[in-house]
Amino acid sequence: DVQLVESGGGLVQPGGSLRLSCAASGFSLSTFSMNWVRQAPGKGLEWISYISGTSSKIYYADSVKGRFTISRDSAKTSLYLQMNSLRAEDTAVYYCAGDSNSDNYFDYWGQGTLVTVSS
Amino acid sequence: DIQMTQSPSTLSASVGDRVTITCRASQSISSWLAWYQQKPGRAPKLLIYRASSLQRGVPSRFSGSGSGTEFTLTISSLQPDDFATYYCQQYNSYLFTFGPGTKVDVK
Repeated sequence: DVQLVESGGGLVQPGGSLRLSCAASGFSLSTFSMNWVRQAPGKGLEWISYISGTSSKIYYADSVKGRFTISRDSAKTSLYLQMNSLRAEDTAVYYCAGDSNSDNYFDYWGQGTLVTVSS
Repeated sequence: DIQMTQSPSTLSASVGDRVTITCRASQSISSWLAWYQQKPGRAPKLLIYRASSLQRGVPSRFSGSGSGTEFTLTISSLQPDDFATYYCQQYNSYLFTFGPGTKVDVK
């Protein structure tokens, strides 16, 4: 079974940093393009970043460009999101979402990890 | 960036009702549209991709249609498990965007 499990969320002060991880099981991450999608409390879904299967293409939403960095490990078993210069408005549940068909819709989702930015 | 809108924002319905949700894009996205269902505290679940293709395992009472800028998600006979929030997502361009969501609740 394909499974995605996020970790690394927590409470961080404004201006701080956090690194989220998404561990994959049941498949090789190199065969999927991957994304991070977030959801602020009580709000809708916001796509924030994409990385292709070969890591040759990377894209960010304007709201996080220059502050967040998406990456994979060399063994292609984990996806990461390095978040710097965090703001209160970054408070959200962060989901990793996989695209098994290279068609840019998300057929696999993790359970999410909560990031709270507050002093 | 492509902006997505959905209507209505909330829909009150009863079990057995036919339900239709509309999603509009700010420019043509061909058929590059997906629909997701989300329940409170859960991750979204893919229902429809390429505007009208049913994801495997999704009940056939769900259907999608449309192309260009206007799309619909239809639930032919609403079931108790279908009370949830529904989101459309465009993937015509790499800056993917979701609609604001439509909550289907009990009438």
